[in-house]
Amino acid sequence: DAGVIQSPRHEVTEMGQEVTLRCKPISGHNSLFWYRQTMMRGLELLIYFNNNVPIDDSGMPEDRFSAKMPNASFSTLKIQPSEPRDSAVYFCASGGRAPNTEAFFGQGTRLTVV
Amino acid sequence: AQSVTQLGSHVSVSEGALVLLRCNYSSSVPPYLFWYVQYPNQGLQLLLKYTTGATLVKGINGFEAEFKKSETSFHLTKPSAHMSDAAEYFCAVSDPGGANNLFFGTGTRLTVIP
Repeated sequence: DAGVIQSPRHEVTEMGQEVTLRCKPISGHNSLFWYRQTMMRGLELLIYFNNNVPIDDSGMPEDRFSAKMPNASFSTLKIQPSEPRDSAVYFCASGGRAPNTEAFFGQGTRLTVV
Repeated sequence: AQSVTQLGSHVSVSEGALVLLRCNYSSSVPPYLFWYVQYPNQGLQLLLKYTTGATLVKGINGFEAEFKKSETSFHLTKPSAHMSDAAEYFCAVSDPGGANNLFFGTGTRLTVIP
């Protein structure tokens, strides 16, 4: 398996623009997580899905952030409009079907909002 | 609720010396515990995990950790540090009876001095 695939790896955008981050989880996994990593706040869980259904989005910073998982093989995290403080590395991770297996992480998307 | 505390945001050791990274957890139920490693510009990679059974867990790259319920600890050790061990290490906990989401510590950056 190719692992969790995220795109793009790097994104530079201007403040106010819409940004969409993409994630393809490992085939057969039923949990998907979006994390944000910054120097100031470390690793934060934004939202996670189980069987394509959002379970907990309490980590989503504000209404500008939205996430979708239309099917088991694809998820998006959208920021609209983007702000400089959204600059961070965004990770997607997926987990298997057995209870509480580990999460497998993608390489991350480094977002810079200027 | 589950949480982990990593003592020491930065640890420096000499090459060949013992590595000890500390992690204490808080959980209302017997937890599942994980150690992840993050190399620069990479995603997080699982080092080892404890779910049930033997409390001494061996992972990749010569690392091991011991689950000590009485101390609510899951410290990570390696007998002899190698330059390639320089990275950031994250301890995480999940609730076996709940969802699959992981709660991460703030991370410990390991520096190996030649």
